[in-house]
Amino acid sequence: NAGVTQTPKFQVLKTGQSMTLQCAQDMNHNSMYWYRQDPGMGLRLIYYSASEGTTDKGEVPNGYNVSRLNKREFSLRLESAAPSQTSVYFCASSVTGTGAYEQYFGPGTRLTVT
Amino acid sequence: DQQVKQNSPSLSVQEGRISILNCDYTNSMFDYFLWYKKYPAEGPTFLISISSIKDKNEDGRFTVFLNKSAKHLSLHIVPSQPGDSAVYFCAASEYGGSQGNLIFGKGTKLSVKP
Repeated sequence: NAGVTQTPKFQVLKTGQSMTLQCAQDMNHNSMYWYRQDPGMGLRLIYYSASEGTTDKGEVPNGYNVSRLNKREFSLRLESAAPSQTSVYFCASSVTGTGAYEQYFGPGTRLTVT
Repeated sequence: DQQVKQNSPSLSVQEGRISILNCDYTNSMFDYFLWYKKYPAEGPTFLISISSIKDKNEDGRFTVFLNKSAKHLSLHIVPSQPGDSAVYFCAASEYGGSQGNLIFGKGTKLSVKP
């Protein structure tokens, strides 16, 4: 099992450009999440998907959109990148509804917006 | 306002001694708490958790203590090893909350010196 995979690992964008961060999990988890981590900050939730076909905003959703393509895949899109979106982005997945709240994280995408 | 606080940004401990990482929370509805460990350039990995119905959970060298009245939890690592050097995040979840969403603290960087 690969667990949670993310592509790309690194990306540099110019202000105004768009891009999609890809995430896939092979653990048959129903819930998936996108976080960002900034220096001196914890992980902040951008969007999550409780199950296939549903998505909801987290703490910091502005400037992002998401798509839950199927049970395995959850993508994060930046339509018009801004320097404030320079961050490390983590995707995670979990089984919910069983009382187990452990989330399993991917290796991250380091994004720089110039 | 931060709901989960890790007030010590860093901690340095000698190999073989005990490491104690602290976490405070403000939301009395949190009922499940987790610790994650993060190495540079990797995603966070789940370490140990505790339900609010318990006051202690142990897994090998790692023990988490929960004091609900003080809204405080701590992670004890005994004995500390150089490989434990990482950033440790405390996280909390609210039962029946938004699909198991986690609220993270800002992290404590642990350095274990040989």
